[in-house]
This record gives sequence, C-alpha cells and structure tokens, in this order.
Amino acid sequence: DAMVIQNPRYQVTQFGKPVTLSCSQTLNHNVMYWYQQKSSQAPKLLFHYYDKDFNNEADTPDNFQSRRPNTSFCFLDIRSPGLGDAAMYLCATSRQGHLETQYFGPGTRLLVL
Amino acid sequence: AQSVSQHNHHVILSEAASLELGCNYSYGGTVNLFWYVQYPGQHLQLLLKYFSGDPLVKGIKGFEAEFIKSKFSFNLRKPSVQWSDTAEYFCAVNAYTGRRALTFGSGTRLQVQP
Repeated sequence: DAMVIQNPRYQVTQFGKPVTLSCSQTLNHNVMYWYQQKSSQAPKLLFHYYDKDFNNEADTPDNFQSRRPNTSFCFLDIRSPGLGDAAMYLCATSRQGHLETQYFGPGTRLLVL
Repeated sequence: AQSVSQHNHHVILSEAASLELGCNYSYGGTVNLFWYVQYPGQHLQLLLKYFSGDPLVKGIKGFEAEFIKSKFSFNLRKPSVQWSDTAEYFCAVNAYTGRRALTFGSGTRLQVQP
C-alpha cells in the first residue's frame, strides 16, 4: 500500500547530541511536511518542501534543519537537541499543496535525556 | 495569522450517544477546513474536509460536519457513537493565503464507554 513511513518510531538522544529523523513516501507526492507535536498540543508546522523548494516557518528554531535528497525521502535534523525538543515529530505529504489532503506518517517520538 | 479553537479538550460519552465537537477558526477570507482523527496507536488520518459547495459535509464512519461561515465554525457531529470512535479529533484550517500549511486545533480526546 502507498504510505508515509517514519523511522525510527522512537528515538532517544542525549542533550546536545545531533539526531536525524527519517521520512519516506510511496505516494509520489510533491509536498512533504514536518510537524512537531508536544503532549496535549496541536501539531505545529516546522517546514515543508514543495519539490525541492524549502519553506521554513518563521518561528522554527535554527536548531531544526531539513533535507530532501529526492522525491521519496525527507529528513529532519536536530543539531543540538534540548529538553524542550522532546516531542512527537510527524511527517506528512500532499500531492500539490494547500488544496490537497495531507497524509500523515505514524510519527517519531523523540526523548531527550 | 489564522488560529483554530477546539472548545472541548476531553469528552466522555456512552455508546449510542450523539456527538458534537466544536471548532472555530479565525480568518476572514476563504478557507479549507478539515477534521482529522487519530485512533490510539495510529497515525493521523482524514475524517472529512470542506473546500466549497454544500456546507454540510459527510465523511467516513458516519461523521459529518457543518461549515457555518457567519460563525466561523466547522463542528463535527455523529448521531450515535461507538466504542471504536474512541480517539483524538483535530480540526484544521488552511486559509487561501498561498501558505500550504495546515493550522491545527489542540484536539479533543473522545472516550466512548461501552
């Protein structure tokens, strides 16, 4: 089945130790999104790619970076994780953009020790 | 900036009870509206959406939502809930600002008791 896959499902890292989260999709969608969701809060968009065009949200900290080497894969890099970065990270895709339904992956839960 | 409010954070119902979850958004222009559901241990998935046309939208599993432009609302309803509807429900909005992002509400946790 076509889907959005996130690896790993759970990630434990140490304070300040860089970590990379992975997302892949078999839907061949143009747009890929990364959201951060903290406990009992709404998912918050960090950035998205429209094809190779990177779009950063104004309030996304510089600590968060992203790479999209090809249509299928997108990575979230957290350069120096802090305790406040512990959250669920959701990857989503859509075919063209805001008029389209977004399809979500299962998320990666990040724990920072 | 657009924002979304979900008034009920936690709702507990018995099976066969009727459900209405409130959602209000703040944006004066044209919007796309969504309800997403997240079942325990599963990923977010689309329940229904409104882009244009009939303001009463029907989704999967017997859910429907009504867009009332004058009230900036998009409330979710189901006449008779089942235990399997236990989940978290998120309302989301995308305004026609050219920005491709969804703005989510904080979610409503629905617990249906058998």
